[in-house]
Amino acid sequence: EADIYQTPRYLVIGTGKKITLECSQTMGHDKMYWYQQDPGMELHLIHYSYGVNSTEKGDLSSESTVSRIRTEHFPLTLESARPSHTSQYLCASSVDREGSEKLFFGSGTQLSVL
Amino acid sequence: QKEVEQNSGPLSVPEGAIASLNCTYSDRGSQSFFWYRQYSGKSPELIMSIYSNGDKEDGRFTAQLNKASQYVSLLIRDSQPSDSATYLCAVNPWTGGFKTIFGAGTRLFVKA
Repeated sequence: EADIYQTPRYLVIGTGKKITLECSQTMGHDKMYWYQQDPGMELHLIHYSYGVNSTEKGDLSSESTVSRIRTEHFPLTLESARPSHTSQYLCASSVDREGSEKLFFGSGTQLSVL
Repeated sequence: QKEVEQNSGPLSVPEGAIASLNCTYSDRGSQSFFWYRQYSGKSPELIMSIYSNGDKEDGRFTAQLNKASQYVSLLIRDSQPSDSATYLCAVNPWTGGFKTIFGAGTRLFVKA
């Protein structure tokens, strides 16, 4: 059973506001990820982390930033939200089993920027 | 060309039938292949993984891999209405290390 938590579940906010999406996992996984998903579309990787103090940008360009100060915590920040940031944000962590990484997802944050 | 392609569906099957979901991928060096299930409004959850050519069975689910054809499939036997969801095919490209690439998913609807 995966123990990965995201807050808030839903967020409606005005343009220009700074927001932080929280993600925590209690499984001790080193690798963590942020994906963005629009309805009916692929999950796109926007950030990932190998471990503490390690962060990398993913394949989809994003104006968000992330930090990894503790193993269990991987927050995502938008300094100035815009309507184009409206999307579902999914946090995940992974464990190497049978030589590949299996992803465990949080419940997601649905962000709406007005 | 997308890296992982799936028919978006919806695929509609009657209860008790076999549902067949297909996926193709572009990176010939890909090593690991996954099927995730995503219920509406929920997050994806892993249901199958496969690494070698051939079939892998787990309960009512069978994953099939053909690396020469760059093709992965998922069979769901004795389909149930609770199987109605979007099924995401995912691939770990060799060059990408542990960065998983997802398809857009196939919506499955099982009619009672």
